[in-house]
Amino acid sequence: RKEVEQDPGPFNVPEGATVAFNCTYSNSASQSFFWYRQDCRKEPKLLMSVYSSGNEDGRFTAQLNRASQYISLLIRDSKLSDSATYLCVVNINQAGTALIFGKGTTLSVSS
Amino acid sequence: EAGVVQSPRYKIIEKKQPVAFWCNPISGHNTLYWYRQNLGQGPELLIRYENEEAVDDSQLPKDRFSAERLKGVDSTLKIQPAELGDSAVYLCASSLDLGSYNSPLHFGNGTRLTVT
Repeated sequence: RKEVEQDPGPFNVPEGATVAFNCTYSNSASQSFFWYRQDCRKEPKLLMSVYSSGNEDGRFTAQLNRASQYISLLIRDSKLSDSATYLCVVNINQAGTALIFGKGTTLSVSS
Repeated sequence: EAGVVQSPRYKIIEKKQPVAFWCNPISGHNTLYWYRQNLGQGPELLIRYENEEAVDDSQLPKDRFSAERLKGVDSTLKIQPAELGDSAVYLCASSLDLGSYNSPLHFGNGTRLTVT
């Protein structure tokens, strides 16, 4: 089992749709979790951190389920500008073997 | 705040040639990372520095790759000799510390390497 797994997609949705991505991780000792966004031929940029209690930032909601070892990202009212690849990122342990990235989920929002 | 700066942006070389990439992290960021990203994949860690010390280089192919971070600021990643399979985007990132919630990674815009 890979350390961080994501459904690569692509997810093709119309504007205004709600879309959700899941990501599973294998190491139960993982400490912190993030979603990064990567536009085509650009560098990854932090979208949001994922906290144990779940957190929301505008149209984006992130949740963590430690028991099942997955995190999720929900995007409501999708915009054309949301089209990108969304990378799930896990910090494996406190000692810091650095952040492990999933392969990414590609989202395409169409008008 | 100035971001992570990488150069060159693009590099095309023939196989067996050497190549070097340079990275200047965000001022004050102690942790510096080099990642490699192949098409359709997420970034994969090559090496991580805490100040000038390489604390995780387990994924660095040491027969041909080398890196240094003199004075704990700028870093250079070198490949010698390059192989066709080294074609990828090489991303440098920095953070205040070990990528905790208070210290996310900030990436440079990468060096796109093509080995012919």
